Amino acid sequence: EIVLTQSPGTLSLSPGERATLSCRASQSVAATYLGWYQHKPGQAPRLLIDATFSRATGIPDRFSGSGSGTDFTLTISRLEPEDFAVYYCQQYGSSPITFGQGTRLEIK
Amino acid sequence: QVQLVQSGAEVKKPGASVKVSCKASGYSFTTYGISWVRQAPGQGLEWMGWIIPYNDNTNYAQKFQGRITMTTDTSTTTVYMELRSLRSDDTAMYYCARGTHRSFDPWGQGTLVTVSS
Repeated sequence: EIVLTQSPGTLSLSPGERATLSCRASQSVAATYLGWYQHKPGQAPRLLIDATFSRATGIPDRFSGSGSGTDFTLTISRLEPEDFAVYYCQQYGSSPITFGQGTRLEIK
Repeated sequence: QVQLVQSGAEVKKPGASVKVSCKASGYSFTTYGISWVRQAPGQGLEWMGWIIPYNDNTNYAQKFQGRITMTTDTSTTTVYMELRSLRSDDTAMYYCARGTHRSFDPWGQGTLVTVSS
């Protein structure tokens, strides 16, 4: 099983600041099979980034993904009030499909 | 538009079974698999398994093997997830999502399953 470890657990920032979220895999993940999701209370998770780099339909360009091998990053260039949420990385190339434990992005 | 609509909240007693439905619309139903993911209170996302409507192939997480069954009804474009022998730690929000060996998009709105005596 591929274990995904996200850091930090909680990130406290102000609107307008840059957020950098990390996802480290216990073994190599092909870039095609790494995604990022945003999850807000009372809502379903929403796909942000597919295949490490590709923004999903309708996702603003302040969201970007990067990485390779075992280290992946989600960057939010300038935080908007609606970006404060929990973010999960996911690998879907190897069974079982696994998620990281999440990073909570909170308003400072 | 592509949409997944799930059945309503359920309250079950320990030892009972629950069957949650997920109706798909807006795309070719047999082209994409459906996964099930749950989130227990205060916890993260946990993948439970997937089913491919084209051939009813399934892949269940080892944790649920033996007490989970996923099925499809192509006539109504609906996927079902049944979980048996419920325990209190099965209390969670259950989501269906389109995707297997690809990113999950979209997700259903979620179904809250509460297991309590």
